[in-house]
Amino acid sequence: AQTVTQSQPEMSVQEAETVTLSCTYDTSESNYYLFWYKQPPSRQMILVIRQEAYKQQNATENRFSVNFQKAAKSFSLKISDSQLGDTAMYFCAFMKRGSYQLTFGKGTKLSVIP
Amino acid sequence: KAGVTQTPRYLIKTRGQQVTLSCSPISGHRSVSWYQQTPGQGLQFLFEYFSETQRNKGNFPGRFSGRQFSNSRSEMNVSTLELGDSALYLCASRPLLSGGLDTQYFGPGTRLTVL
Repeated sequence: AQTVTQSQPEMSVQEAETVTLSCTYDTSESNYYLFWYKQPPSRQMILVIRQEAYKQQNATENRFSVNFQKAAKSFSLKISDSQLGDTAMYFCAFMKRGSYQLTFGKGTKLSVIP
Repeated sequence: KAGVTQTPRYLIKTRGQQVTLSCSPISGHRSVSWYQQTPGQGLQFLFEYFSETQRNKGNFPGRFSGRQFSNSRSEMNVSTLELGDSALYLCASRPLLSGGLDTQYFGPGTRLTVL
């Protein structure tokens, strides 16, 4: 079974600053995917970024980037130039290739302060 | 394209009752998954349906069941409700692309309160 751990229940960042959210996972699988999902207050969850484990290059999507350390089983999310609209719960998730069953961490509540 | 829709959005039931939640996937999406979100346990996978067949099931008691119709719409049912079933129930759909990784798109959820 897989486990995903997000050690920071809450974080805050000043607008326009950079923040990094941590995620570690435990698995014996070799083929898998990792995701960061964002759930704004009272709004639906959306995919922020994803990483395929066999790819060494870290994924980036505009202001969002990840630091994927496969040996350390670490998958952190960096948000640059934080905006008020980034205020949300952020969930790290694991998916074994072919299963389409997501295993989520408990989430990090990020507040962007004006 | 319309997103994933879930009905009802809010529901209040009493212990012992049963409830049915509905999910309409994005047009063209053939797979539907269900997740339970609670403050204590976080997000937990319930089950996934494709072509009207349950393909995967999480670690939930038999009181939780689901089905998928030929138009890909899905329902989940919880019988003999318990207080601990109070949660946000999320539905996610994906297109089942061949040769690639599907993105799952989530609906807004149904907030179930059991009194």
